[in-house]
Amino acid sequence: EIVMTQSPATLSVSPGERATLSCRASQSVSSNLAWYQQKPGQAPRLLIYGASTRATGIPARFSGSGSGTEFTLTISSLQSEDFAVYYCQQYNSWPRTFGQGTKVEIK
Amino acid sequence: EVQLVESGGGLVQPGGSLRLSCAASGFTFSSYSINWVRQAPGKGLEWVSYISSSSSTIYYADSVKGRFTISRDNAKNSLYLQMNSLRAEDTAVYYCARNFYYMDVWGKGTTVTVSS
Repeated sequence: EIVMTQSPATLSVSPGERATLSCRASQSVSSNLAWYQQKPGQAPRLLIYGASTRATGIPARFSGSGSGTEFTLTISSLQSEDFAVYYCQQYNSWPRTFGQGTKVEIK
Repeated sequence: EVQLVESGGGLVQPGGSLRLSCAASGFTFSSYSINWVRQAPGKGLEWVSYISSSSSTIYYADSVKGRFTISRDNAKNSLYLQMNSLRAEDTAVYYCARNFYYMDVWGKGTTVTVSS
């Protein structure tokens, strides 16, 4: 099983600032990596797939990068609606596995 | 509108059974594979099970293997999860989520509570 590790667990950021979230895989997942956003009481929402491709309707301030074992989600200028928990997920092999999440909170 | 709607959650005693359903609309259900993903209270996301569009390929997480059974009825645009021998650690919100690789459409979830 591929273990996904996200850091930091919590990120305190002021509105308008940049946020950088990390995700590491215990073995290579190539570019088979997705990012999701989840707000309290809501289902997760797909943000990024293929490590760097934005899903339909996702604003350009969200960007993903990386391949192999190291990945990054960047939110260029945080808006109020971006404060949430973010999860990475590998789909290179079964079982599908998620990181434990990074909570982006208002500083 | 593309939509997945889960139902069937509730309170069940340890060792009991429950059947979850996921109703699909707004897309050609028979063309897509579907997953079940769960989230324990205050915890992260855990993939539970996968079924291909034709039901020919099925996978389970080790934590539920032998206790849960995934199935689908393409004529009814519906997905199911039969959960037997339930344990306290199965308490979670259960989501159905579309697709083989990344999960692009999610339902709002149904809550399962296993407690005496």
